[in-house]
Amino acid sequence: DAGVIQSPRHEVTEMGQEVTLRCKPISGHNSLFWYRQTMMRGLELLIYFNNNVPIDDSGMPEDRFSAKMPNASFSTLKIQPSEPRDSAVYFCASTPGGRRGYTFGSGTRLTVV
Amino acid sequence: AQKVTQAQTEISVVEKEDVTLDCVYETRDTTYYLFWYKQPPSGELVFLIRRNSFDEQNEISGRYSWNFQKSTSSFNFTITASQVVDSAVYFCALSEVDSGGGADGLTFGKGTHLIIQP
Repeated sequence: DAGVIQSPRHEVTEMGQEVTLRCKPISGHNSLFWYRQTMMRGLELLIYFNNNVPIDDSGMPEDRFSAKMPNASFSTLKIQPSEPRDSAVYFCASTPGGRRGYTFGSGTRLTVV
Repeated sequence: AQKVTQAQTEISVVEKEDVTLDCVYETRDTTYYLFWYKQPPSGELVFLIRRNSFDEQNEISGRYSWNFQKSTSSFNFTITASQVVDSAVYFCALSEVDSGGGADGLTFGKGTHLIIQP
């Protein structure tokens, strides 16, 4: 099992540019989560999907952030336009259900200059 | 709303000492899950343990042990005979069950930075 796969590992972009982060969950896991980690705010849940349907996006900071899950094996988190304060590590995680563990990807370190 | 508090921001001990990381949680649900994750300097989040709210048995895995007490809403983590490789940030987290019975997101504490000095 390859685990949760995130791409890219690192992204440096200029303010105002569109950024797309990608995630491939573990096959058979029906829940997918996007988290953001910063020094100031720690690990925050942005949005999660159950069976490809967005369940709770209350953690999405602004309308500049959007997430999609077009099928069970792929999800994207998009920031448009990006701002320096969006610089953080973004993690994707998946689980077959809360009774079992959540597996995290390696994260995408985003730097907006 | 749920909340996880890790009051210890940083702990520094000398190798081979025992160390306990504290975790206190708040939730209104009767069914929930508690987790510990390790984040080494490389940055990945490594799953250590999951405990459901109906199982208050303590657990031991090698040098690691966990003490779950519902009466005090605590889920503390002890490392016995610490080693330099244990140096990392440790996160305690809570998950409830959403209204559809599916997995809910994890609410994390702020983490405890554990430094093991040789």
